[in-house]
Amino acid sequence: QVQLQESGPGLVEPSETLSLTCTVSGGSMSNHYWNWIRQPPGRGLEWIAYVYYNGNTNYNPTLKSRLTISVDTSKNQFSLTLRSVTAADTAVYLCARDDFGWGLFDSWGPGTLITVSS
Amino acid sequence: DIVMTQSPDSLAVSLGERATINCKSSQSLLFTSNNKNYLAWYQQKPGQSTKLLISWASTRESGVPDRFSGSGSGTDFTLTISSLQAEDVAVYYCQQYFTMPYTFGQGAKLEI
Repeated sequence: QVQLQESGPGLVEPSETLSLTCTVSGGSMSNHYWNWIRQPPGRGLEWIAYVYYNGNTNYNPTLKSRLTISVDTSKNQFSLTLRSVTAADTAVYLCARDDFGWGLFDSWGPGTLITVSS
Repeated sequence: DIVMTQSPDSLAVSLGERATINCKSSQSLLFTSNNKNYLAWYQQKPGQSTKLLISWASTRESGVPDRFSGSGSGTDFTLTISSLQAEDVAVYYCQQYFTMPYTFGQGAKLEI
């Protein structure tokens, strides 16, 4: 069974760039869609973006201008870069797999808390 | 964006009793060409990875106990747990995948 694990800095200063990585184990990245989703403290889930194994991407328009998502299948990893962060970007960031591209997330990582603060 | 609204925000149900969570979308999630509703339910427990319970509004994922069921069509959907077990304590989210950006409900916290 595929497993996902997020990794990130924990704390980011306002106006700086957040970089996160999701490592995939127990399965191939091929033919799947790899997603980032976030959850602000005490709030619901927000879909951020996906990257297909071949590098094709799709972004949430509310974040698109600050986002880059990429994949490195040789390392079994995909990554997210969010520029010019503010306190509103404080959240648990989760990575998830969409098996067939429907928008159904069948495997999730446990999440990593990112706090934006000086 | 499609807005997903869940009710109630939280509920307390006795062990063995029925739990019902509602989800309403701001537009229909029914794709008429295949007669499928693009609605999923997820379970989120502290310290565990989020779990997909139900897809296509009513299709249970493999390994999900049959006490979990999904129903509804169009804009109104329901997740029902027929006989609550202690391990069902969690936050439940509905999600639409009819159109992008994918959006989730605000969550419903289920307690005993």
